[in-house]
Amino acid sequence: EAGVTQFPSHSVIEKGQTVTLRCDPISGHDNLYWYRRVMGKEIKFLLHFVKESKQDESGMPNNRFLAERTGGTYSTLKVQPAELEDSGVYFCASSLTGGPSEQYFGPGTRLTVT
Amino acid sequence: QKEVEQNSGPLSVPEGAIASLNCTYSDRGSQSFFWYRQYSGKSPELIMFIYSNGDKEDGRFTAQLNKASQYVSLLIRDSQPSDSATYLCAVNMYTGGFKTIFGAGTRLFVKA
Repeated sequence: EAGVTQFPSHSVIEKGQTVTLRCDPISGHDNLYWYRRVMGKEIKFLLHFVKESKQDESGMPNNRFLAERTGGTYSTLKVQPAELEDSGVYFCASSLTGGPSEQYFGPGTRLTVT
Repeated sequence: QKEVEQNSGPLSVPEGAIASLNCTYSDRGSQSFFWYRQYSGKSPELIMFIYSNGDKEDGRFTAQLNKASQYVSLLIRDSQPSDSATYLCAVNMYTGGFKTIFGAGTRLFVKA
């Protein structure tokens, strides 16, 4: 069974540009989460999808970030326009159910904004 | 006050010893509690989760939860050098969705 995949693995962009990160969850996992780890800080929750519906997006930093999960399969996270402080590792995770169930993490996308 | 607090370490134990990792959380509405292990440059992988007061054992690992004290711990018995990693405590709460709050992690070194 394939795990959670994320694309790209690395992205280097200039301040003001747009970047779109993609996450493919494990097949059949309705729950999908986005997290971010800024260097030296803890992993921060961004949002939680159940199928195509956003259940909790309280962790999204500001309106420069837009997450979508059309069709309830893969998800994208767009940052537009990117700022220096957006640099970090963006993780996606998926789980079969919400709550106390195992979240399987993808390998992450390392975003560098210069 | 951070929502989930862990001692950053590093915690150093000799091979074969018991490693004890601790975590406190601030939100009494927290419902389930997770321990993840993260090797450098890798993504977190779940060790175990617990949601009832008391102990939960899985192989060499035991998670302990005390909701009254808002305290979670992880014991690793017979520590091995391969256990050297950063251990992340995470707390899950229902908000309409499920929000998971991570601690900053404790670095563990197991000396051979």
